[in-house]
Amino acid sequence: NAGVTQTPKFQVLKTGQSMTLQCAQDMNHNSMYWYRQDPGMGLRLIYYSASEGTTDKGEVPNGYNVSRLNKREFSLRLESAAPSQTSVYFCASTLGGTGTAGSYGYTFGSGTRLTVV
Amino acid sequence: DAKTTQPPSMDCAEGRAANLPCNHSTISGNEYVYWYRQIHSQGPQYIIHGLKNNETNEMASLIITEDRKSSTLILPHATLRDTAVYYCIVRPYNAGNNRKLIWGLGTSLAVNP
Repeated sequence: NAGVTQTPKFQVLKTGQSMTLQCAQDMNHNSMYWYRQDPGMGLRLIYYSASEGTTDKGEVPNGYNVSRLNKREFSLRLESAAPSQTSVYFCASTLGGTGTAGSYGYTFGSGTRLTVV
Repeated sequence: DAKTTQPPSMDCAEGRAANLPCNHSTISGNEYVYWYRQIHSQGPQYIIHGLKNNETNEMASLIITEDRKSSTLILPHATLRDTAVYYCIVRPYNAGNNRKLIWGLGTSLAVNP
């Protein structure tokens, strides 16, 4: 199993450009997440999708949009990139739900390293 | 939302047990304790989780105190490949509460030859 696959792995953008980060999971997980990680700070949640057809804001959603395309895919879009969005972005998924299923851990992708100049 | 406190760094000799502590004194009754690790620049990797009983899997053991206010992750025979940042987080089992996860900076474990 590939688990969680993120593309691209590296990207350099100019200020004001747009791009979409892609994420796909093959574990039949219900919930998917986008995080960013900056030096000296913990992982911060940007957006999440508890189940197919739903999305919700996390801790730092400004400047981002998401699409839960289907159960497998969850994309993150930067409409007008800014230097403050230079970061490492991680996609994650989990089985989701409540009870025992809801307690399962997350599976993370290998990350996208984005630099905005 | 329960927060966790971990030492910023620890050292361990290769082959010895690594015991990583975590304080979560405000943990609620429906919150699990999770441990993840992040090896340099990779995505975090799930290690283990528990509610109130001690847990063991092929990677590690998790010891949770009876009052659930602290826990210890034990790597029984640390290797150089265990050098990583280890995160302790608490999380309610209801997936709708995931937006409240607080990851913190974790413990940077260095396993020395």
